[in-house]
Amino acid sequence: EPEVTQTPSHQVTQMGQEVILRCVPISNHLYFYWYRQILGQKVEFLVSFYNNEISEKSEIFDDQFSVERPDGSNFTLKIRSTKLEDSAMYFCASKGGRQETQYFGPGTRLLVL
Amino acid sequence: LAKTTQPISMDSYEGQEVNITCSHNNIATNDYITWYQQFPSQGPRFIIQGYKTKVTNEVASLFIPADRKSSTLSLPRVSLSDTAVYYCLVAEPYNTDKLIFGTGTRLQVFP
Repeated sequence: EPEVTQTPSHQVTQMGQEVILRCVPISNHLYFYWYRQILGQKVEFLVSFYNNEISEKSEIFDDQFSVERPDGSNFTLKIRSTKLEDSAMYFCASKGGRQETQYFGPGTRLLVL
Repeated sequence: LAKTTQPISMDSYEGQEVNITCSHNNIATNDYITWYQQFPSQGPRFIIQGYKTKVTNEVASLFIPADRKSSTLSLPRVSLSDTAVYYCLVAEPYNTDKLIFGTGTRLQVFP
């Protein structure tokens, strides 16, 4: 069964450093998403991406965040200058069509020290 | 987006059927109801989605009454591995892409 994959599984970084989280969505999917989940809290929507542009973003997704689909398979989330409060699990998701279900990856655990 | 309300936690024993009910009084005409499962430190996993009446797949059944103001996820014969958090989400796929997760229902299955 095809699945969304994410790398790395864990990342530790110093405050102020840039991090790039990588995702490989399910092949042939057209819609891509990032969510995050701070430990013990809800899963929160960050951004959706379709047709090479952001279609929707939350208040969390400020200027420090950016997304990119650099090639036909990868979808990345960049945090330009990490803060302590960026520590969370980051989940990538994708879906094939507008009315279809979103499938989530296993997540990247980001720890900012 | 319609707000959902579901129990914070439920306990069950292996082999029992578990029914988790979700209230969504403000559900809109075009909203679909979707359930996800999440294990600790893993991504949410899609279980089932429906619009009305009953939907069944190899994992669960989803019952939606005619007024659609609630829905019930039914897990037949649960096992220890079904211990997880279950989320009920309501969204209209043409208006928004984002999924709004609540706190979910933490199901604990005992031997």
